[in-house]
Amino acid sequence: ELKVEQNPLFLSMQEGKNYTIYCNYSTTSDRLYWYRQDPGKSLESLFVLLSNGAVKQEGRLMASLDTKARLSTLHITAAVHDLSATYFCAVDSEGGPYTDKLIFGTGTRLQVFP
Amino acid sequence: DAGITQSPRHKVTETGTPVTLRCHQTENHRYMYWYRQDPGHGLRLIHYSYGVKDTDKGEVSDGYSVSRSKTEDFLLTLESATSSQTSVYFCAISERAVYSNQPQHFGDGTRLSIL
Repeated sequence: ELKVEQNPLFLSMQEGKNYTIYCNYSTTSDRLYWYRQDPGKSLESLFVLLSNGAVKQEGRLMASLDTKARLSTLHITAAVHDLSATYFCAVDSEGGPYTDKLIFGTGTRLQVFP
Repeated sequence: DAGITQSPRHKVTETGTPVTLRCHQTENHRYMYWYRQDPGHGLRLIHYSYGVKDTDKGEVSDGYSVSRSKTEDFLLTLESATSSQTSVYFCAISERAVYSNQPQHFGDGTRLSIL
């Protein structure tokens, strides 16, 4: 059974600080997704990581994928309040070739305070 | 925003009643999905469809059925609702990732309460 684990589950950080969210998964997959969800809202796609070593950046967020370690990271640089949200990673449930049946992590709730 | 409309957006009903949730898309995407979101579980796949009349089970399909008679509509039915099915339900659409490298896009969700 594929498992996707995120840590931390909750992160409270000060504006201007850096931090990393980790996403570990238990089976082979070379396609990983990061989503953002604001309270009471839908999920917004942030990154699609397609292969080992993939790195993508958008503003203060940078995501990377290490398929050999079965690990993805979401790095936050100089956090601002607008980044407060819940972040989910997700992988294909059968590893590949891509069935598009995603298994989500439980999410990391990020709170940025002044 | 991806053209996805979920209806109703909110519903309160009683245990044992049938409930149908609708997902309508205007993107002509082949794949459609139903997820439920519960605290501590993230999102879990209920059923998905890979074409008209083609559906398959996800990881939490017990107690749910789906139908897709048109490309644009994907219905989720709870034949006899139970309190454990109280949740927020999300519909998602996509083209096949291996061909498009695109993520799934989500609707705004339906908040369902079963008393």
